[in-house]
Amino acid sequence: QSMLTQPPSASGTPGQRVTISCSGGSSNIGTNGVHWYQQLPGTAPKLLMYNYNQRPSGVPDRFSGSKSGTSASLAISGLQSEDEADYYCAAWDDSLNGRLFGGGTKVTVL
Amino acid sequence: EVQLVESGGGLVQPGGSLRLSCAASGFTFSDYSMNWVRQAPGKGLEWVSYITSSSSTIYYAESVKGRFTISRDNAKNSLYLQMNSLRDEDTAMYYCARGYYYDSSDYWGQGTLVTVSS
Repeated sequence: QSMLTQPPSASGTPGQRVTISCSGGSSNIGTNGVHWYQQLPGTAPKLLMYNYNQRPSGVPDRFSGSKSGTSASLAISGLQSEDEADYYCAAWDDSLNGRLFGGGTKVTVL
Repeated sequence: EVQLVESGGGLVQPGGSLRLSCAASGFTFSDYSMNWVRQAPGKGLEWVSYITSSSSTIYYAESVKGRFTISRDNAKNSLYLQMNSLRDEDTAMYYCARGYYYDSSDYWGQGTLVTVSS
């Protein structure tokens, strides 16, 4: 497995809840922490969530994470226009001895 | 304030070499592991390499193994990526990123662009 699996796109209207899934395997998500990054257009990625549900300082609690088995999810509640960005999940893979990223999900605020 | 500033990118011919640098400030560099992550134009993120705080453990993505070398100089608060035998597919923005809990990365530089083309 060279990449975690994410849907390419997701969308919602302001105020709605949007959920992004991330699927992996036993050697990555099933064993290790899952992290989420937000990348606004033209900028570097920003850590949004680590160890599947821990928010770094400054990240609004509208963002939440969960994990079940070899899959994880990021939820955005109360969607806002500034949430329009690409979102990537990531996890260390013990078989590859390397970090895997998902392909990214582009969130559009309608 | 934590800052990571990459440099050394540019245009290079296939088969050529480049050395990227990442200057760190605002934190005790020698306490943290570091990573290089790249992003091809219009594509997603790809992890490239990882180095522990003391350089005792190093990992590479299969796509760069044997061609790229990560290193650091804690006295100079700097991280490096020596890239040899460059290929067209190495064209990307290269980011350095600080290691955080559970192999996440909490701070990222602004990136340096590497273009491999004849």
